[in-house]
Amino acid sequence: GDSVTQTEGLVTLTEGLPVMLNCTYQTIYSNPFLFWYVQHLNESPRLLLKSFTDNKRTEHQGFHATLHKSSSSFHLQKSSAQLSDSALYYCALITGNTGKLIFGLGTTLQVQP
Amino acid sequence: GGIITQTPKFLIGQEGQKLTLKCQQNFNHDTMYWYRQDSGKGLRLIYYSITENDLQKGDLSEGYDASREKKSSFSLTVTSAQKNEMAVFLCASSGLNYAEQFFGPGTRLTVL
Repeated sequence: GDSVTQTEGLVTLTEGLPVMLNCTYQTIYSNPFLFWYVQHLNESPRLLLKSFTDNKRTEHQGFHATLHKSSSSFHLQKSSAQLSDSALYYCALITGNTGKLIFGLGTTLQVQP
Repeated sequence: GGIITQTPKFLIGQEGQKLTLKCQQNFNHDTMYWYRQDSGKGLRLIYYSITENDLQKGDLSEGYDASREKKSSFSLTVTSAQKNEMAVFLCASSGLNYAEQFFGPGTRLTVL
């Protein structure tokens, strides 16, 4: 079945360093729709980025990601981490027409001064 | 804009008890979802509903029932609470396929 893999459970960075959170997916469908959701402490998840276009960079709030169907990847990046970026980040996948989101296990990003 | 409300915010139950969680949205969204969030296990779909009176099972539906009484509300019932169970239950809604899902604030369940 469809699945999303986030290899890092915890990423710890110093403020100002670049961020890269990994996301790969598996699906039999040729047109997947990929999402990044962010959840700050004591808050609910909210959408950060989404894309269904192959090889097109998507940006929002300083973060960016590019869907690469050839490698089934949708990694999240930011050029310079800020303390306020500390949060739980989920990569998610929709395939077919059900609207069901399949989430990865999430990556906690901790940014230190 | 709109809002999703979940009641109660905190729910404490006894082992074997039947517990009901409620969710209301005023986005006028067609699709609503119930997720369970456990630390280190991501967000797992319990039930979803694409329209009033529709119910679709997610990956974690065993041990739960759901009811979409009207377009704006979606209830989840834990049929028999498990001892020492602790989790956050999140309700979400979305308008169209591939659209953004909006999440409610969650209900935190503790079973004694």
